[in-house]
Amino acid sequence: QSVLTQPPSASGTPGQRVTISCSGSSSNIGSNTVNWYQQLPGTAPKLLIYGNNLRPSGVPDRLSGSRSGTSASLAISGLQSEDEANYYCSTWDDSLNGPVFGGGSKLTVL
Amino acid sequence: QVQLQASGPGLVKPSETLSLTCSVSGGSVSSFYWNWIRQPPGEGLEWIGYISYTGGTNYNPSLKSRVTMSVDTSKNQFSLKLSSVTAADTAVYYCAREAYGFFDYWGQGPLVTVSS
Repeated sequence: QSVLTQPPSASGTPGQRVTISCSGSSSNIGSNTVNWYQQLPGTAPKLLIYGNNLRPSGVPDRLSGSRSGTSASLAISGLQSEDEANYYCSTWDDSLNGPVFGGGSKLTVL
Repeated sequence: QVQLQASGPGLVKPSETLSLTCSVSGGSVSSFYWNWIRQPPGEGLEWIGYISYTGGTNYNPSLKSRVTMSVDTSKNQFSLKLSSVTAADTAVYYCAREAYGFFDYWGQGPLVTVSS
């Protein structure tokens, strides 16, 4: 059971916009910034979004993040086949005194 | 470009100690925090803990009694020891650098299977 709650799956057709939600509590998302990671099969996770809505160099601007209260979301617009992957949200948890992850959302491009 | 590479045995017997080392290139372990994160087959990510270049540590409370981390600045690497392993510890073990609250560089870790 993950501390952060994500939908297990999401899907969309090429060109569409999809969002993936991440729900937490006042001890994690409610008081700390949220990061998002993409994991392709058989590879290590890759940082996509940090500080709620900032993109590392090389991440396209069709990916965006937001946070409101104890929830966060990742939006991917102009969906492409290469976006098919697992996506994880993460943040610091003040109760655990360490980082926590969501259970992951598998994005399928139909 | 910072690169991390975890290495260690792919098979560990139950009740024994799992030992992994993460070698860092293109950067120094003398700054930031150095983490271990694991992923059981088909499941999500679990943070194990971190060590700083000063040797300060912070472990996941659920694993704290079995985890020991160390850092060797002369070799630019850091290590994980997990004792008394069971089948529940079977996972891919990743090493990662934490900078300003996020994991910006990850090393591809080995799948460690706990089995007799």
